[in-house]
Amino acid sequence: DAGVTQSPTHLIKTRGQQVTLRCSPKSGHDTVSWYQQALGQGPQFIFQYYEEEERQRGNFPDRFSGHQFPNYSSELNVNALLLGDSALYLCASSLDDTEAFFGQGTRLTVV
Amino acid sequence: AQSVAQPEDQVNVAEGNPLTVKCTYSVSGNPYLFWYVQYPNRGLQFLLKYITGDNLVKGSYDFEAEFNKSQTSFHLKKPSALVSDSALYFCAVVYYNTDKLIFGTGTRLQVFP
Repeated sequence: DAGVTQSPTHLIKTRGQQVTLRCSPKSGHDTVSWYQQALGQGPQFIFQYYEEEERQRGNFPDRFSGHQFPNYSSELNVNALLLGDSALYLCASSLDDTEAFFGQGTRLTVV
Repeated sequence: AQSVAQPEDQVNVAEGNPLTVKCTYSVSGNPYLFWYVQYPNRGLQFLLKYITGDNLVKGSYDFEAEFNKSQTSFHLKKPSALVSDSALYFCAVVYYNTDKLIFGTGTRLQVFP
């Protein structure tokens, strides 16, 4: 079992650009959540997808959007990147209220 | 609002000594509490959780945590620290009846040989 996998591992983008991050959940998991972890901070909840729909959302602007595919994999899209969007983006998967399993994250640097 | 607090930015302990990483919570209703560990350049790894039942919860790598309702605490403990335990530790609480995790600010554990 590969666990939760995220791609890419590192990414550098310029302000104003758009970025797409990808996540494959742990085998058998149907729920995917995304978190943003700024340097020196705890992870902050962005949103959660279940059955291809956004089920919950944190306090993030509409520039942050996502998608879940029929195979439960997910994408996080961020438009009009700001310097403050630089962070580690973590994907977590779960099934039926069990504990969340996290991927290793994508380190996004906006310059 | 659901929240957790980790009052120590860093905890230093000698190898072989017991360790404690502190966490206090503020919740409405019954708390669902978690501990995760993060190694450098890695994601979060689940250590243990408290949902209901025994106040002493045992988890991975010989870690355990004690749920104390009167003190609203959920401290992480290990009887004998290893150098390899050095990492960033996060306490978290589930936000009401959702799967959304609210994390603390983290505590860096440094175990010295």
